[in-house]
Amino acid sequence: KQEVTQIPAALSVPEGENLVLNCSFTDSAIYNLQWFRQDPGKGLTSLLLIQSSQREQTSGRLNASLDKSSGRSTLYIAASQPGDSATYLCAVRLNSGYSTLTFGKGTMLLVSP
Amino acid sequence: DTEVTQTPKHLVMGMTNKKSLKCEQHMGHRAMYWYKQKAKKPPELMFVYSYEKLSINESVPSRFSPECPNSSLLNLHLHALQPEDSALYLCASSPGQGSSHYGYTFGSGTRLTVV
Repeated sequence: KQEVTQIPAALSVPEGENLVLNCSFTDSAIYNLQWFRQDPGKGLTSLLLIQSSQREQTSGRLNASLDKSSGRSTLYIAASQPGDSATYLCAVRLNSGYSTLTFGKGTMLLVSP
Repeated sequence: DTEVTQTPKHLVMGMTNKKSLKCEQHMGHRAMYWYKQKAKKPPELMFVYSYEKLSINESVPSRFSPECPNSSLLNLHLHALQPEDSALYLCASSPGQGSSHYGYTFGSGTRLTVV
């Protein structure tokens, strides 16, 4: 059974810092990995999708990397802003026909002005 | 249109009520999902519809009844719920169960409170 772990569970940083969120998974036979952002009481917003054949994806100040063989992904946020405060969820999809997403428990990020 | 639209955004219902949650997407996605999320927990999968057929039911109690009238719509019918069913209910879609290249798109959720 696929297990996804996110470290740290919570992170508080001052505005402007670069930061790294970590995600690890136990089964490396994945289709893809997706990073989401969730604001309190809201739905999930997809940030980045990395296919199993890719090493990284970038969108603005966000960069996600994937090392499938070691079962790890990182989300790098450059020059953090208070508006980045949210919970960040990592989810993987296994490499099988009717697989669905397996989520980590998330990292709650607070960026203070 | 790259959105999943959920209605209503908030719902308060009594334990004897019957209500429905609605989800709609116009991206041509052929797989649709219902998730339940409790506070400070990740989403938990409830149901999966693939090409309008129920393909996964994660042992959800029968007081939750999903329906997929067509490829764009997904409903969740609620009856005789318990207070512990209070949660954020999320709908999501993806191009298809066999299509791995694209990710999931989630709606903004329905905040359900059972009193």
